[in-house]
Amino acid sequence: DAKTTQPNSMESNEEEPVHLPCNHSTISGTDYIHWYRQLPSQGPEYVIHGLTSNVNNRMASLAIAEDRKSSTLILHRATLRDAAVYYCILREKRQGGSEKLVFGKGMKLTVNP
Amino acid sequence: EPEVTQTPSHQVTQMGQEVILRCVPISNHLYFYWYRQILGQKVEFLVSFYNNEISEKSEIFDDQFSVERPDGSNFTLKIRSTKLEDSAMYFCASDTRGRYTGELFFGEGSRLTVL
Repeated sequence: DAKTTQPNSMESNEEEPVHLPCNHSTISGTDYIHWYRQLPSQGPEYVIHGLTSNVNNRMASLAIAEDRKSSTLILHRATLRDAAVYYCILREKRQGGSEKLVFGKGMKLTVNP
Repeated sequence: EPEVTQTPSHQVTQMGQEVILRCVPISNHLYFYWYRQILGQKVEFLVSFYNNEISEKSEIFDDQFSVERPDGSNFTLKIRSTKLEDSAMYFCASDTRGRYTGELFFGEGSRLTVL
């Protein structure tokens, strides 16, 4: 499985933007970049995914480097509820089907009030 | 919003006993998964299930584990003879087939404690 590298942890302040980096230098052309997060005592939760272009949704934005070897998850205004472990995962798109997620250790985001 | 539901939320069992964890995936989903997370460790893939058969399984998913979709709604994980090291949170997940949405929906998990 192609691997990703994330910092172990980050801190941010409430209502400020936070940029969560991820390196994936061995990404292949068929790998999608996914971000999930896991709040304390809950199951993983989908955040966003992309292939080549930057993506926005109601939760976050995903900025993908032109060479696709890195990406950044952007939370525009961090809230206390955003404190979680964030996982950057490469997932291969299979024709007509789905591929398992391989979780790493992730990055713990602490949001200070 | 549709969600994956799991029961029980917490089960305590004695070593050697059989355990069945239940999941109700989202109704129009066709791919189903079980993951587990030992306390303080990574989320680990166990098995994926499609069209009433296992499509992929990990090394963790040995002969003690089995999955079943006994009716149109439930998806179960059975552990035949539990061991202490099976203590973990077990997460069920599901997603759609066809148009790639990229989103895997997870349940809240079932905590298994083996004594």
